[in-house]
Amino acid sequence: NAGVTQTPKFQVLKTGQSMTLQCAQDMNHEYMSWYRQDPGMGLRLIHYSVGAGITDQGEVPNGYNVSRSTTEDFPLRLLSAAPSQTSVYFCASSPPQGSYYGYTFGSGTRLTVV
Amino acid sequence: TQLLEQSPQFLSIQEGENLTVYCNSSSVFSSLQWYRQEPGEGPVLLVTVVTGGEVKKLKRLTFQFGDARKDSSLHITAAQPGDTGLYLCAGARGANNLFFGTGTRLTVIP
Repeated sequence: NAGVTQTPKFQVLKTGQSMTLQCAQDMNHEYMSWYRQDPGMGLRLIHYSVGAGITDQGEVPNGYNVSRSTTEDFPLRLLSAAPSQTSVYFCASSPPQGSYYGYTFGSGTRLTVV
Repeated sequence: TQLLEQSPQFLSIQEGENLTVYCNSSSVFSSLQWYRQEPGEGPVLLVTVVTGGEVKKLKRLTFQFGDARKDSSLHITAAQPGDTGLYLCAGARGANNLFFGTGTRLTVIP
């Protein structure tokens, strides 16, 4: 039972580089989301999706793009990395009404932008 | 501005002691969840409370949702080293909007 799988675990980027953080879930969850976690800031929502083909912005979407072509996958793209994007990124999934039933999180991607 | 404030931010106690962690907001939430996160891992759901005044128990952990659904508390009885971790509360506004608190980092010393 894999749950939510995130890759890579660690990544170092130079300013201006692009990359995609991968997220896959095998629970047939409709809802998926991306959070970033910074010291003293808690988890902040970047983007979310309520189903294949549907995405929306969260609290801190600038500098990030997402797409949802399948139920299983929800990649997060950084088009031009900036040092302010240094953070730990978590992907989460849930069935509908996830705010009531709880989210399942991946183990995170630690990203450093130099 | 953080929607949910947790206190204390850090807590270090001896094994066997009791403790309470608070999660406060000026906003009303439709439900509130508590998660525990260990280093290098994602948060893991502990409990969801939905009704104002609701109390849920999970072994030595007791969770309470405020009557007005704006705040919550987590009480741990006879803390053990295995309770060490970052405790996060998260308030829901609608079906898919979950806002996380700043977290309480608990260390239980053997």
